Amino acid sequence: DAKTTQPPSMDCAEGRAANLPCNHSTISGNEYVYWYRQIHSQGPQYIIHGLKNNETNEMASLIITEDRKSSTLILPHATLRDTAVYYCIVRVGNSGGYQKVTFGTGTKLQVIP
Amino acid sequence: GAVVSQHPSRVICKSGTSVKIECRSLDFQATTMFWYRQFPKQSLMLMATSNEGSKATYEQGVEKDKFLINHASLTLSTLTVTSAHPEDSSFYICSARTSGNIQYFGAGTRLSVL
Repeated sequence: DAKTTQPPSMDCAEGRAANLPCNHSTISGNEYVYWYRQIHSQGPQYIIHGLKNNETNEMASLIITEDRKSSTLILPHATLRDTAVYYCIVRVGNSGGYQKVTFGTGTKLQVIP
Repeated sequence: GAVVSQHPSRVICKSGTSVKIECRSLDFQATTMFWYRQFPKQSLMLMATSNEGSKATYEQGVEKDKFLINHASLTLSTLTVTSAHPEDSSFYICSARTSGNIQYFGAGTRLSVL
C-alpha cells in the first residue's frame, strides 16, 4: 500500500470549514483514498473514500487532485464533536484478496470554540 | 454505515488469566475481520487478520499462541488473550470488512491486567 503523509496537528474554529491535507505521491492506479477518524478512546469511524473523482457524503467532502498525489478532506462546518485524530489511508479498493487497513500517525484536529 | 459490535468494552483481570473479546458484524456478513491493538498516544497497530473458516494471519511480532483468534461464522470473530500479563494491557479494537471493501470498527475493549 502507498505511504501517506499528514500534518501531525491542526486547529480549526468551530463553525468554520476544516481542511485536512494528505500526500500520497506513490499512489498506484488501482488504489483508493480512505479517510477514518478516531475520537478519543473510541474505535475508528469510516468517513469517506474515493478513487479519482471528488466525493461528498453527509459527513464530509473528499477532494483528490488530478494527478492523485494528494487529497483534502473537508468538514464543511466543524463542531466540537469533530475533534479527533484523522487518518488518511491508501489501499487497493477491490473486494478480492487480502486487504487490510494500516494506520499511520494521522492528524490531530482540535476544534476550538 | 454498517455496525460492528465489540464486547466487553472494558475488562480488568488478574495476571495469568485468559480474556476473550468478541467482535460481531450486526447487519452484514464479514468473511474477513481484523484485530488491532493501541497503546496510549500511539496509532493502531494491526495484530492479525481473521478469515472465516480458516486460520488467522498474524502480523510479524505477534504471538499466535498468546493471541488466539477464532472466526467461526460470518458475523463473529473472537480474540482470546491467554495468560494475560500487565504488558498486555491495551486498547483492543476489531473491524469487519464489507463486500464493498470498507472496514467498520468496533468501539474497542480496554484491557487492564493487574
